[in-house]
Amino acid sequence: DVKVTQSSRYLVKRTGEKVFLECVQDMDHENMFWYRQDPGLGLRLIYFSYDVKMKEKGDIPEGYSVSREKKERFSLILESASTNQTSMYLCASSFSQAANYGYTFGSGTRLTVV
Amino acid sequence: GENVEQHPSTLSVQEGDSAVIKCTYSDSASNYFPWYKQELGKRPQLIIDIRSNVGEKKDQRIAVTLNKTAKHFSLHITETQPEDSAVYFCRPSVSNDYKLSFGAGTTVTVRA
Repeated sequence: DVKVTQSSRYLVKRTGEKVFLECVQDMDHENMFWYRQDPGLGLRLIYFSYDVKMKEKGDIPEGYSVSREKKERFSLILESASTNQTSMYLCASSFSQAANYGYTFGSGTRLTVV
Repeated sequence: GENVEQHPSTLSVQEGDSAVIKCTYSDSASNYFPWYKQELGKRPQLIIDIRSNVGEKKDQRIAVTLNKTAKHFSLHITETQPEDSAVYFCRPSVSNDYKLSFGAGTTVTVRA
């Protein structure tokens, strides 16, 4: 029944490493999103994509990039990990560009940068 | 952008009582009103949603009511149970508006 899959549940990386977080959805959704969730700050949007090879910045894109080469896969890249990027990262997808639909979230990746 | 406020930020209820969370928004063009539930250590999940042409929607013990004139919508949970303990998020939106972050939500604790 799993619809949005994030490749890792827990990750520990060193400062300065390049980090890839992968997300795959099997619902043929057009839209995909990356959020980070920190206590007291809610879910903040990092990047979103409304089509293959299309991407737009969210509220906190600094230090991150994304890649969407195939419709079902949306990758978040930390070019040079820093300790302030320690967080829970959630991927989500939704059905359509033209109308509003609810989001389906992945289980999250808890990233620790040491 | 849309300003969204959710009240209260925390809510503690006795098992069996009702819980109500209110979400106010600023953009009168908003036309989609979902509620998400996130249990501790789990992913957020859509539990109920309503669109602007409907005033109320019910699904077993949960319901959402919409007041477009006053620009708010509410989540109602009746006969609360321990499994209702979670953080609840609202996120109203306008069509083609994807730049959506979520606030800190409402932490609901159901006391046995």
